Amino acid sequence: DAKTTQPNSMESNEEEPVHLPCNHSTISGTDYIHWYRQLPSQGPEYVIHGLTSNVNNRMASLAIAEDRKSSTLILHRATLRDAAVYYCILRDYDKIIFGKGTRLHILP
Amino acid sequence: DGGITQSPKYLFRKEGQNVTLSCEQNLNHDAMYWYRQDPGQGLRLIYYSQIVNDFQKGDIAEGYSVSREKKESFPLTVTSAQKNPTAFYLCASSIRQGRTDTQYFGPGTRLTVL
Repeated sequence: DAKTTQPNSMESNEEEPVHLPCNHSTISGTDYIHWYRQLPSQGPEYVIHGLTSNVNNRMASLAIAEDRKSSTLILHRATLRDAAVYYCILRDYDKIIFGKGTRLHILP
Repeated sequence: DGGITQSPKYLFRKEGQNVTLSCEQNLNHDAMYWYRQDPGQGLRLIYYSQIVNDFQKGDIAEGYSVSREKKESFPLTVTSAQKNPTAFYLCASSIRQGRTDTQYFGPGTRLTVL
């Protein structure tokens, strides 16, 4: 199964942009790239997804490399409420694999 | 409000007992999922169901059972055969978006075996 690799943790200052990287060198042509985030003791929350083109929504932007072997989740202006574990997932409809994710710390 | 409810929030069980975790959704989603999360780890898929009266094993189905008699409900039974059941259990449902889907998660049930 295709896997993703993310840094264990990252720090960012409040009100600054955050770039969360994800490597997925074994991605297949039908795998979508999804991002979810999880606050402590809660269920994960959908953030964004994409296939080939960069995507924007009210929460974040997703930048996908041209060869699709990596992607970056961009939080344009981090707040303390963005402190969470962020999961990068390759999603084919019948399978989904969550890794350990990146724990994002926001410094006030 | 539409959403996914899981009950109870905390559950304690004696070793050797079966226990059933509830998951209900009123989002009219076809697909539902059960995940297990251990401390500091990601989520692992236990079972999933894409339609009523049908379900498939995920990566760690041993020691668990499910049923999907109604679209809204997908209960998970943790049996005494599950060797290490203490964990955080998450239920999700999903809606298809083209060739992929978006998952919506419940608040989770924290199971502790005493």
